[in-house]
Amino acid sequence: ETGVTQTPRHLVMGMTNKKSLKCEQHLGHNAMYWYKQSAKKPLELMFVYSLEERVENNSVPSRFSPECPNSSHLFLHLHTLQPEDSALYLCASSQFFRNQPQHFGDGTRLSIL
Amino acid sequence: DQQVKQNSPSLSVQEGRISILNCDYTNSMFDYFLWYKKYPAEGPTFLISISSIKDKNEDGRFTVFLNKSAKHLSLHIVPSQPGDSAVYFCAASATFNDRGSTLGRLYFGRGTQLTVWP
Repeated sequence: ETGVTQTPRHLVMGMTNKKSLKCEQHLGHNAMYWYKQSAKKPLELMFVYSLEERVENNSVPSRFSPECPNSSHLFLHLHTLQPEDSALYLCASSQFFRNQPQHFGDGTRLSIL
Repeated sequence: DQQVKQNSPSLSVQEGRISILNCDYTNSMFDYFLWYKKYPAEGPTFLISISSIKDKNEDGRFTVFLNKSAKHLSLHIVPSQPGDSAVYFCAASATFNDRGSTLGRLYFGRGTQLTVWP
């Protein structure tokens, strides 16, 4: 059972394409996160949104553009990506209070040709 | 530099025995620690957590121990079951750092692949 849904589950795109990843949470949380997991590396935080306001951008290249239209939805817009951007992209949500766990979606496996 | 380390990439345990997964951290500001389990083709699933004011937290077959002086935590699974076979991630967060709130940012280890055999 997952309260965080990510679409699509798999995405193959060329370096000149524009695509978007979507995340939706049904847990009533007020914070949402994007993470990147590359092979052989730990999960890396990309963006944090609290109450629909971006509160952290972890030195992510501008070819990744997040959008949070409301507390239940989060998007990651992709354009002119590089082959090294191929990875698993995970969305998470939580209640933005101290000591609350984040709950993850199943991720989007992104491959850049 | 990695602030949360899981030095064992894999662990193999017989069904019914205890599994002990270890995690070390370097940041003394961390005050909340979590364990996640991940099956292939799924996202990480929250398992159990512990606040720095405690040294032990138990939930069924899962117990997390925290040794703040050693900056070490461990996850004990007793008894281990084949369905526990997965990658286990340790994570930590600090409520505040020297710039103010860290906004719940989690730092993850690289994970340990647990295999429980019959």
